[in-house]
Amino acid sequence: KNEVEQSPQNLTAQEGEFITINCSYSVGISALHWLQQHPGGGIVSLFMLSSGKKKHGRLIATINIQEKHSSLHITASHPRDSAVYICAVRSARGRRSQGNLIFGKGTKLSVKP
Amino acid sequence: ETGVTQTPRHLVMGMTNKKSLKCEQHLGHNAMYWYKQSAKKPLELMFVYSLEERVENNSVPSRFSPECPNSSHLFLHLHTLQPEDSALYLCASSQSWTSGQETQYFGPGTRLLVL
Repeated sequence: KNEVEQSPQNLTAQEGEFITINCSYSVGISALHWLQQHPGGGIVSLFMLSSGKKKHGRLIATINIQEKHSSLHITASHPRDSAVYICAVRSARGRRSQGNLIFGKGTKLSVKP
Repeated sequence: ETGVTQTPRHLVMGMTNKKSLKCEQHLGHNAMYWYKQSAKKPLELMFVYSLEERVENNSVPSRFSPECPNSSHLFLHLHTLQPEDSALYLCASSQSWTSGQETQYFGPGTRLLVL
């Protein structure tokens, strides 16, 4: 079982729909990242969270440390939001691997016009 | 523009070839990373360099050989690869490695096909 699990694996939505992508993790963390990967391969960091909620434009990310769960929401989705969304956590276990990220497999989102 | 560039963007090589992947970051960061992304698998960390010193080697086969000549450049030397090494190889950088609160900035990746 992966230390970081995302759901759903694939998601198809109509333009304008509200979208939620979930991430659950099983290790203690110091931070959680949401990343976006477009078909060309490049990855962009969307959010880094250690508690609460962050908002950037139509994107909202929340984290519940007690439940070890985070969600990424997209409001008023648009075809240009089509991408793979990746959740990654930074483990809190000791200094040695403190800088390393543990990645989920990603959620492939397709937004239809 | 992410500030992290990778060349080449695409590479096809035979199992007996020797090639190198190059990564350059223009962000003044002190840590650089190589990741491998295979189909339907999470990103796998391969190597980490902090202040030009290798600090992580995640059980990567010796046919992959990293080099970090300075804090702005990172290479991945490839030799006698196997077809299962075909993947997207991503470079990333961050301000530091140990703070635990760093955002990593990714390059566009090199898509490698080993025949």
